[in-house]
Amino acid sequence: EVQLVESGGGLVQPGGSLRLSCAASGFTFSSYEMNWVRQAPGKGLEWVSYISSSGSTIYYADSVKGRFTISRDNAKNSLYLQMNSLRAEDTAVYYCARDVNWFDPWGQGTLVTVSS
Amino acid sequence: EIVMTQSPATLSVSPGERATLSCRASQSVSSNLAWYQQKPGQAPRLLIYGASTRATGIPARFSGSGSGTEFTLTISSLQSEDFAVYYCQQYNNWPTWTFGQGTKVEIK
Repeated sequence: EVQLVESGGGLVQPGGSLRLSCAASGFTFSSYEMNWVRQAPGKGLEWVSYISSSGSTIYYADSVKGRFTISRDNAKNSLYLQMNSLRAEDTAVYYCARDVNWFDPWGQGTLVTVSS
Repeated sequence: EIVMTQSPATLSVSPGERATLSCRASQSVSSNLAWYQQKPGQAPRLLIYGASTRATGIPARFSGSGSGTEFTLTISSLQSEDFAVYYCQQYNNWPTWTFGQGTKVEIK
């Protein structure tokens, strides 16, 4: 079964940092591009970041550029999102999603709350 | 950035009735459009890709149509498990993916 499991969310103060992880199983992780997508409470979906299968190509939404860093470890079948200089508006559930042009599947998400 | 606009924001439908959801792109996305279903507390689930191809395991009552800037998701006969929020997503303007704001399908 193809599965993605996020972890690492929590409560952090404005200006703080957090590292999210996404563990992949049931498919050849190293062959797929991956994305992070977030959803603020009660709001819609916002694409955050993309990474190619090798990790050599990376893109970010303007809203997180310069503050977030996406990476992957294909040997560990894992995707990461390092989030620095966090703001209240970064509060959201963060999903990892496999990229097959569209996104499928998605993990269950991990909640990040930025508040003092 | 391509802006995706969904209508209506909320659709009230009785079980067994037909539901028609719309998605409009601010510029052509060809057929590079997907639809997702999201239930409360759950992750989005892929329903349709390529504007009209059902994903694996998706019931035939779900159908997608359209191309260019106008798209439709139709649920032919609503079941209780179909009440959810539905999002469209364009993946034509790589590497920027954008979603519509969602349509909530609620029980009438």
